[in-house]
Amino acid sequence: EDQVTQSPEALRLQEGESSSLNCSYTVSGLRGLFWYRQDPGKGPEFLFTLYSAGEEKEKERLKATLTKKESFLHITAPKPEDSATYLCAVRASGGSYIPTFGRGTSLIVHP
Amino acid sequence: EAQVTQNPRYLITVTGKKLTVTCSQNMNHEYMSWYRQDPGLGLRQIYYSMNVEVTDKGDVPEGYKVSRKEKRNFPLILESPSPNQTSLYFCASSTIGGRSPYEQYFGPGTRLTVT
Repeated sequence: EDQVTQSPEALRLQEGESSSLNCSYTVSGLRGLFWYRQDPGKGPEFLFTLYSAGEEKEKERLKATLTKKESFLHITAPKPEDSATYLCAVRASGGSYIPTFGRGTSLIVHP
Repeated sequence: EAQVTQNPRYLITVTGKKLTVTCSQNMNHEYMSWYRQDPGLGLRQIYYSMNVEVTDKGDVPEGYKVSRKEKRNFPLILESPSPNQTSLYFCASSTIGGRSPYEQYFGPGTRLTVT
């Protein structure tokens, strides 16, 4: 069974205080790892897809990295508008079209 | 503007009264899916569709039905809603090929309460 575990569950940062969110996964074969951002009461918004170990992608203050067992979402010098829940999901190989989502990390950035 | 729309956004109903939540996308995506999101459980897929007239069960399909008669629409049907189906529902769509397969676009959500 595919599993995705995100940590920490919640994170509070001061504006400008860089940190990382973790997504650990176990799948039979990784076809893609996805990061989403979700604001309260809204649908998730796609951020990144990573396909293979060593891959990195960046968008503004966010950088996603991937190893064979986990992915990190690094947030550099965060701002209050980065406050949201960040979701990680994996799609496994073997013909599965059902992604497995983690429970998310709730990030609050204080001004 | 590329988007996924859902209606209604909020719905309060009673046990056993059939309801339909509509979902429409304007991006010509092949893949569409429905999720429910519950506190402490995260997003769980209910049903998905790879194309018109092709649907399949997700992780939690019991009590739900879907149909895909047109590429842009993917309604979720609750034939006899029960209180344990009270949840926040999201529709999503994506391509299945090209440079960005399965990068899903989500709708704004439908908050359903069954009393």
